Amino acid sequence: AQRVTQPEKLLSVFKGAPVELKCNYSYSGSPELFWYVQYSRQRLQLLLRHISRESIKGFTADLNKGETSFHLKKPFAQEEDSAMYYCALRTGNQFYFGTGTSLTVIP
Amino acid sequence: DVKVTQSSRYLVKRTGEKVFLECVQDMDHENMFWYRQDPGLGLRLIYFSYDVKMKEKGDIPEGYSVSREKKERFSLILESASTNQTSMYLCASSPLGLAGYGTQYFGPGTRLTVL
Repeated sequence: AQRVTQPEKLLSVFKGAPVELKCNYSYSGSPELFWYVQYSRQRLQLLLRHISRESIKGFTADLNKGETSFHLKKPFAQEEDSAMYYCALRTGNQFYFGTGTSLTVIP
Repeated sequence: DVKVTQSSRYLVKRTGEKVFLECVQDMDHENMFWYRQDPGLGLRLIYFSYDVKMKEKGDIPEGYSVSREKKERFSLILESASTNQTSMYLCASSPLGLAGYGTQYFGPGTRLTVL
């Protein structure tokens, strides 16, 4: 069963434009959601997690239980944001990842 | 900083060979994971382990086995490599625990090519 869906495989935005990477999940319990990022030639790393309600590198993500979504947003995209982004759901000790969205920020 | 290391960055093997991929973490994490990463398919969990000698199947365990004899080390074994196992393999670890403590830390990956 697909637990995490990222509908966009590729997303391109211009520098300075707002960006939103979509993530929807299916889980009947209380979800714990994460965004991971992989920059070119670097390892996959945590960007942010919903429970912390933090803003990292200008990115925020709000958990919307009604819409079962956890979209990642940034008001002004920067070239260094170009990367692969994965949404992930944790249930117990198991993680489920989406298929990823490749973001390209055009200078 | 958590360090997760994988024994090889690149590996080329022949069909039918037995392949070992090793992963070591230095943060005393209880949980360790093996994923494969393929374009368009994202990360798919092969196996995970929540304690020494304990293992659980993930979404795609067929053709793989794992071993965890020590807490810091988690090995992925391809008993008889096949070309469809050509992929990037990622190891990760995370602490056991309460909500908010489930962050995963990833290794650099091993790109395996099976000829």
